[in-house]
Amino acid sequence: GDKVKQSPSALSLQEGTNSALRCNFSIAATTVQWFLQNPRGSLINLFYLVPGTKENGRLKSAFDSKESYSTLHIRDAQLEDSGTYFCAGSASSGSWQLIFGSGTQLTVMP
Amino acid sequence: EAAVTQSPRNKVTVTGGNVTLSCRQTNSHNYMYWYRQDTGHGLRLIHYSYGAGNLQIGDVPDGYKATRTTQEDFFLLLELASPSQTSLYFCASSHRDWGYEQYFGPGTRLTVL
Repeated sequence: GDKVKQSPSALSLQEGTNSALRCNFSIAATTVQWFLQNPRGSLINLFYLVPGTKENGRLKSAFDSKESYSTLHIRDAQLEDSGTYFCAGSASSGSWQLIFGSGTQLTVMP
Repeated sequence: EAAVTQSPRNKVTVTGGNVTLSCRQTNSHNYMYWYRQDTGHGLRLIHYSYGAGNLQIGDVPDGYKATRTTQEDFFLLLELASPSQTSLYFCASSHRDWGYEQYFGPGTRLTVL
C-alpha cells in the first residue's frame, strides 16, 4: 500500500476561499517536506518540518509524528496557487529514504 | 537557498539511444539524488550519492547508471534507452542525508521514441 497517502487527489477552489490538504504516513516519518509543482513542472519548496507547525504568508503546515500525518492549509486561495502539491516524508526503513505522496492537484478558479 | 541546475531541459531520443543527463549544484551539498516522475506517481528515486565517487542504488535503478564526478556534478546515464524511460527527471541535493531539506532542479523532460 501507499507509504505516503495524500488527500484529496484533486481539489477545485474559488479564489479567496480556504482549503486543507492532508498527508498520512504509514512509515515512521521524522521530517516532512511540502512542495508545489507549478504548471511549468518546477518543484518549489514550501515547507520543511520536524514535528510542529510553520507558517509562511497564506500557507500554514503542521506535522504530527506521533499520529503520523501532516497538513497544509491554504488561506485566501489565489490563482497562482494552482498546481500539484506533494508531501514527502523522510524515514529510516533499513536505509533512510524520502518518500513522496502521489500529489493533490489544486485548481483555483476566478 | 541551494542552486541546482539541470541540462538539457528537454531531450528526444530513439529506442536504443545513449543519453546523459547532467546536474550541477553550487551550494556545497554532500548528497545528490536522481528521481523520475511519471503520471500517477510521485517522485521515485533512481540513484543517489553522498560524495564524489560514491553511488548508491535507489528504488527504480534498472536501466540507469549514474556517476558523481565532483561534489557539484552528478550524471544520469541511459545507455540503451527504452520507451518506458520516457519521463520527467529531477535532480536534487541536500546538505546531509534524507532528514535534511532537499532542493530540486528544474527537471529534464526525456522522450524515448
